[in-house]
Amino acid sequence: EVQMVESGGGLVQPGGSLRLSCAASGFTFADYWMHWVRQVPGKGLVWVARINSDETSRHYADFVKGRFTISRDNAKSTLSLHMNSLRDEDTAVYYCVRDWIGGFDIWGQGTKVTVSS
Amino acid sequence: DIQMTQSPSSLSASVGDRVTITCRASQYIGTYLNWYQQKPGKAPKLLLYASSSLQSGVPSRFSGSGSGTDFTLTISTLQPEDFATYYCQQFYSTPRTFGGGTKVEI
Repeated sequence: EVQMVESGGGLVQPGGSLRLSCAASGFTFADYWMHWVRQVPGKGLVWVARINSDETSRHYADFVKGRFTISRDNAKSTLSLHMNSLRDEDTAVYYCVRDWIGGFDIWGQGTKVTVSS
Repeated sequence: DIQMTQSPSSLSASVGDRVTITCRASQYIGTYLNWYQQKPGKAPKLLLYASSSLQSGVPSRFSGSGSGTDFTLTISTLQPEDFATYYCQQFYSTPRTFGGGTKVEI
């Protein structure tokens, strides 16, 4: 079964750090670009970051640039999001997403990040 | 960044109705447009890609059209399981922006 499972969410204080992980299975992870998308409960979807298949290209939304780092380990079929200098407004459910010819065809179940003192 | 504007933001409909949702891009995006469905507490699901191509397993009552800046998602005969929020997304350029969503309610 093709799936992705996120982990690493939780409660963190403003200014703190957190590392999200996403374990992929059921497909050749190294063949696909991957993204992180977030969603504040009750609000819309917001694209966060993207990494290409061989880690030679990364892009970030302006609101996380310089604070978040997307990475991947193709040997372990895992995607990561390192989040530093977290702010209240980073509170959201974070999804890892597979990019299939531009469409986000496989989504994880999401992991919740709460930034609060 | 390309801004995506959906309308309406919500609509009320009944089972059997024909429903149309529109999405407008702030600049030309060709047919680089996807549609997603999201139900409460669940991850989004890809319905259509490249404006009009139906994702595998998605019922044929869903259809999409448009190119350039104006796009539509149509549900030909609304079913009970179609009550959800729908999002458009452009993949013409990064950042891959989403529309604000359209909630389809009873």
